[in-house]
Amino acid sequence: ETGVTQTPRHLVMGMTNKKSLKCEQHLGHNAMYWYKQSAKKPLELMFVYSLEERVENNSVPSRFSPECPNSSHLFLHLHTLQPEDSALYLCASSQQGASTDTQYFGPGTRLTVL
Amino acid sequence: GIQVEQSPPDLILQEGANSTLRCNFSDSVNNLQWFHQNPWGQLINLFYIPSGTKQNGRLSATTVATERYSLLYISSSQTTDSGVYFCAVPIKAAGNKLTFGGGTRVLVKP
Repeated sequence: ETGVTQTPRHLVMGMTNKKSLKCEQHLGHNAMYWYKQSAKKPLELMFVYSLEERVENNSVPSRFSPECPNSSHLFLHLHTLQPEDSALYLCASSQQGASTDTQYFGPGTRLTVL
Repeated sequence: GIQVEQSPPDLILQEGANSTLRCNFSDSVNNLQWFHQNPWGQLINLFYIPSGTKQNGRLSATTVATERYSLLYISSSQTTDSGVYFCAVPIKAAGNKLTFGGGTRVLVKP
């Protein structure tokens, strides 16, 4: 699927670095999501934006800072991460952010924190 | 307790075999999705199936919402079917957010 794109696909960073993950959706959707997938754990929802407003923040540490400048773009700003933050970060979008929506996922950014 | 549970956790198949994956969930649902995650991490939508039966090629899915389970059938499996299969449902206790099961890891051997 090319409806949701993510960059970069791979990222290695030190604990003192600042980096950003980018997600773009080309589906005309109004809701976007960040998920974290760690080894041996189910996907965890981090943030939800609907119509560019944050509607969900699942107790995510402040070293993860989302930004949604418009309905097509979503960023995840990273700073002072820990090695346990190494994971696959997946972006998704859906029509409205309703529980009945179908969510479409990007290819993910595989993050390694050294 | 576990709210979305998938079984089996791992499955090894010989190419050409059929298999059934199961997803049990704790709430009545208005949404259930099956995904296939390929070895590169991409999650591909397979089915949106809150109830009933759907078929897409060699794959089909059935959700019995009243009994809180869904089944994914893979027929005549191919090596490209390898990967992890997830079901996801909105769970009331999680604020109706899409909650993923632990996945079934499938390996299809040639």
